[in-house]
Amino acid sequence: DTEVTQTPKHLVMGMTNKKSLKCEQHMGHRAMYWYKQKAKKPPELMFVYSYEKLSINESVPSRFSPECPNSSLLNLHLHALQPEDSALYLCASSQWDRNTGELFFGEGSRLTVL
Amino acid sequence: DQQVKQNSPSLSVQEGRISILNCDYTNSMFDYFLWYKKYPAEGPTFLISISSIKDKNEDGRFTVFLNKSAKHLSLHIVPSQPGDSAVYFCAAISSGSARQLTFGSGTQLTVLP
Repeated sequence: DTEVTQTPKHLVMGMTNKKSLKCEQHMGHRAMYWYKQKAKKPPELMFVYSYEKLSINESVPSRFSPECPNSSLLNLHLHALQPEDSALYLCASSQWDRNTGELFFGEGSRLTVL
Repeated sequence: DQQVKQNSPSLSVQEGRISILNCDYTNSMFDYFLWYKKYPAEGPTFLISISSIKDKNEDGRFTVFLNKSAKHLSLHIVPSQPGDSAVYFCAAISSGSARQLTFGSGTQLTVLP
């Protein structure tokens, strides 16, 4: 099983809503990532979890709140988002001790903020 | 300040010919380079990588070349197939403890039958 699964695939929310994106992997990877990708732009790193602890936060606004309940799950809680937050949100995982950048990405969650 | 640059947003080649995708970088601390391939509605998938101690790495139809003095790398696909049509992202990792990927902006490759 070499998959990273993300749900939902599509999400439309208003600026006052609270929603969550979910990510799951069963490859035994100990690092998990959230990336944001806008159209025709490269993926931009948001958060990194290593051994279920937040290790990197790339100065992401607090309206995005990550959570790693266990080594297989990664959530991204969304609250009071802005229309400019509309993007593809990609989850990824890797074997942390390898540090070779070979991330396994999910298909992404396409978020639209109205 | 883009540290990894892919100056060609798109490239079209005929099936069976060679595809050459280029990537330039500015950060001399980068010591590991990767290419990712992305189909529409899918996440990027790892394709091939190269360490800065090498100048070439080959995997089947895919070869990556690294020119450290020019801070340039390229991905060669030979022969190109229609199924290779996708967006190709160049990415780099810098030495040090953080070791996170920095992506280029991508090149859309279209292989024409």
